[in-house]
Amino acid sequence: GEDVEQSLFLSVREGDSSVINCTYTDSSSTYLYWYKQEPGAGLQLLTYIFSNMDMKQDQRLTVLLNKKDKHLSLRIADTQTGDSAIYFCAERGYNQGGKLIFGQGTELSVKP
Amino acid sequence: EAGVAQSPRYKIIEKRQSVAFWCNPISGHATLYWYQQILGQGPKLLIQFQNNGVVDDSQLPKDRFSAERLKGVDSTLKIQPAKLEDSAVYLCASSFGRDGELFFGEGSRLTVL
Repeated sequence: GEDVEQSLFLSVREGDSSVINCTYTDSSSTYLYWYKQEPGAGLQLLTYIFSNMDMKQDQRLTVLLNKKDKHLSLRIADTQTGDSAIYFCAERGYNQGGKLIFGQGTELSVKP
Repeated sequence: EAGVAQSPRYKIIEKRQSVAFWCNPISGHATLYWYQQILGQGPKLLIQFQNNGVVDDSQLPKDRFSAERLKGVDSTLKIQPAKLEDSAVYLCASSFGRDGELFFGEGSRLTVL
């Protein structure tokens, strides 16, 4: 079945760039998403990319998609302590009826 | 605009007891999802409704879990009897259509002792 994999932890210093990586297996993925989850809160959609795009930039966020390798990354520029959270990658396959398959999440720790 | 509302936020029960969670989606959203998020894992879809019909319940443990959305608006998720491994956060999400952006509630955290 479909699978999404992420590394579990990332630690960076405030002001540095963070890069969170994700790999997926479903070659029919139409959209790929990045969600942020803060402690005790629900999931907040950060950004998404359509599968026919290579890159999308949104303020401090840059999403890169390598469809051939089924690799997705999220770069956060000028990382702040408020960016500390768990980041989930998710994919939505063609004809999945809206279902999202999530990775296990990457915990980002930003040190001052 | 009001977001997705869920209750209760926290629930502690003993194994073999029953529990029910309630979700009120964003007004006008036809698609409703229940996800289970076990600590340290990503959310996993339990069931998806389109209006009051089930689209996908392939990962719902039907021997103990049930869900309904009778009038195509609110939904309830029930677990009976609960097991220790059901301890998780149950997230409700809604979207305008099947391909629309998902909006998540804050979740209902269940602890089974």
